[in-house]
Amino acid sequence: GAVVSQHPSWVICKSGTSVKIECRSLDFQATTMFWYRQFPKQSLMLMATSNEGSKATYEQGVEKDKFLINHASLTLSTLTVTSAHPEDSSFYICSRRETTDTQYFGPGTRLTVL
Amino acid sequence: GENVEQHPSTLSVQEGDSAVIKCTYSDSASNYFPWYKQELGKRPQLIIDIRSNVGEKKDQRIAVTLNKTAKHFSLHITETQPEDSAVYFCAVLKAAGNKLTFGGGTRVLVKP
Repeated sequence: GAVVSQHPSWVICKSGTSVKIECRSLDFQATTMFWYRQFPKQSLMLMATSNEGSKATYEQGVEKDKFLINHASLTLSTLTVTSAHPEDSSFYICSRRETTDTQYFGPGTRLTVL
Repeated sequence: GENVEQHPSTLSVQEGDSAVIKCTYSDSASNYFPWYKQELGKRPQLIIDIRSNVGEKKDQRIAVTLNKTAKHFSLHITETQPEDSAVYFCAVLKAAGNKLTFGGGTRVLVKP
């Protein structure tokens, strides 16, 4: 069964608004979770590493003030896309890593910005 | 940083035939190599993985081989079935690192 959940599964918003996506680890206390973005017919690109109780680590080229990550508990990480624009439309997927290095992915959130 | 190349980008096979996808990586310190299957609009699902201390691993119709010297690893699917149609991604994790680097993906179509 699924070990990582995401909410919402899809969202449509107007340009300039902010959208929050939740990622939950259902059966494992995850000190580290990851956020990826996937454009149509492309691979997964890591955006940031979410660390429980501390600041997220962002990949080069990802604006930390635009993509706000909060990892306030061992089972929940949130990604907020601030002032969303049409080019932010994408499939956002979170994952968590086990001690064995295996990563399990959430079901993804499809964001469409009009 | 790590660079992962995946080939081919698309692969069409007849049902029952085998499919092989190859990935090459650049960082010799990498030590964990998973393969994910992603159906349209869904999450990537781990189908098999291998560590750098192993040369081959098999799980029913799926196998992965690793050549550390040449820095490449391959996914082998035998007796393909229509439900194997999906996009497959290889990934690489560096030792002592947290981050997976993904290949570009291979779209596999199994024709009945």
